[in-house]
Amino acid sequence: DVKVTQSSRYLVKRTGEKVFLECVQDMDHENMFWYRQDPGLGLRLIYFSYDVKMKEKGDIPEGYSVSREKKERFSLILESASTNQTSMYLCASRGHMNTEAFFGQGTRLTVV
Amino acid sequence: AQRVTQPEKLLSVFKGAPVELKCNYSYSGSPELFWYVQYSRQRLQLLLRHISRESIKGFTADLNKGETSFHLKKPFAQEEDSAMYYCALTRGYNQGGKLIFGQGTELSVKP
Repeated sequence: DVKVTQSSRYLVKRTGEKVFLECVQDMDHENMFWYRQDPGLGLRLIYFSYDVKMKEKGDIPEGYSVSREKKERFSLILESASTNQTSMYLCASRGHMNTEAFFGQGTRLTVV
Repeated sequence: AQRVTQPEKLLSVFKGAPVELKCNYSYSGSPELFWYVQYSRQRLQLLLRHISRESIKGFTADLNKGETSFHLKKPFAQEEDSAMYYCALTRGYNQGGKLIFGQGTELSVKP
């Protein structure tokens, strides 16, 4: 059973805090993605990584950074959380030879 | 640039009626197109992909390169089809790269 696991289902953080969202996959996939999901806006790509230590900006990278030190783990970092980063965050992974993307359960982040 | 557009935020139909969820894309090369679905309180999951040319849960989608569209269709909607549907695009088969999604369409099937 394939798995993408996000470390938290719900998080509440204060404005200005540094926030880490963790994602782990057990499928040996090369590609990993971070999206935010907002009503009416769909899934917007924040960053993706196509290999260890390799990353590429998505459509809305401002205010975020990422880290991929190991193949199975992809972390999203909010350097200084702001209220407009309150959202549902989804992690996904996808292999080069398997075109299906698998998603985590999501982390609902509230910044107060 | 890659872009996916789903013009309808909400589509409401009665059980047994035909359904068509629209998806238009822009991409300069040969894309790979997908439909993903998210049922209430569940993870986003793949519904179908254009290269498979298969029917899943009665849904089909045909890639029309001339109109740059990949509309999702079902002849007779069921209540259990109620969900959020997302169209997605990436580079051609097995090339990896960005996976871009549309804004999503919420399908509501009424009894």
